Amino acid sequence: AQSVTQPDIHITVSEGASLELRCNYSYGATPYLFWYVQSPGQGLQLLLKYFSGDTLVQGIKGFEAEFKRSQSSFNLRKPSVHWSDAAEYFCAVGTGNNRKLIWGLGTSLAVNP
Amino acid sequence: EPEVTQTPSHQVTQMGQEVILRCVPISNHLYFYWYRQILGQKVEFLVSFYNNEISEKSEIFDDQFSVERPDGSNFTLKIRSTKLEDSAMYFCASSNLNEQYFGPGTRLTVT
Repeated sequence: AQSVTQPDIHITVSEGASLELRCNYSYGATPYLFWYVQSPGQGLQLLLKYFSGDTLVQGIKGFEAEFKRSQSSFNLRKPSVHWSDAAEYFCAVGTGNNRKLIWGLGTSLAVNP
Repeated sequence: EPEVTQTPSHQVTQMGQEVILRCVPISNHLYFYWYRQILGQKVEFLVSFYNNEISEKSEIFDDQFSVERPDGSNFTLKIRSTKLEDSAMYFCASSNLNEQYFGPGTRLTVT
């Protein structure tokens, strides 16, 4: 069955530190992979996506993610975190003809000043 | 920039009542979705809609749920007889298949 695992429920980093949020997926075919961010009281905003091609994808707000087929992973990274990055981060895989999204549980990011 | 809108932002209803959650997708999008997120749990797919019909639905989307695109702009989710366990954040999304754009959500509280 298709699934997405985000092993870290909550992460705290200091402002200016680097960040890596982990995501592992289980999907039989070529995955369409996404990272979304949800700030308090806000909707789900797309950070970046991977469909094919270059396995390192760039997104908005200085985020990037790397698709590693051998590890079934799509980890999100940012070299220097800003206080405004504090939010909930969701990894998702698009499946089927309609690309319905299967979601991870999310990782809550807190940023210390 | 075009965006998906949802109304109301918060709906409180009594168990057994019908609710309609409304969404206005991005105008040139062809695929429409409803997801829900129960507090503390994963976002879950409910239903997708394409070409004026349901294209896929999850096990959650039972006979109590229905969707409609009544006028070419709105996309609604109806829950006929709400249960306590329907309390959740409901998200509408639209796409042209590749990227889904989400609305801000409707928080449904069933008492």
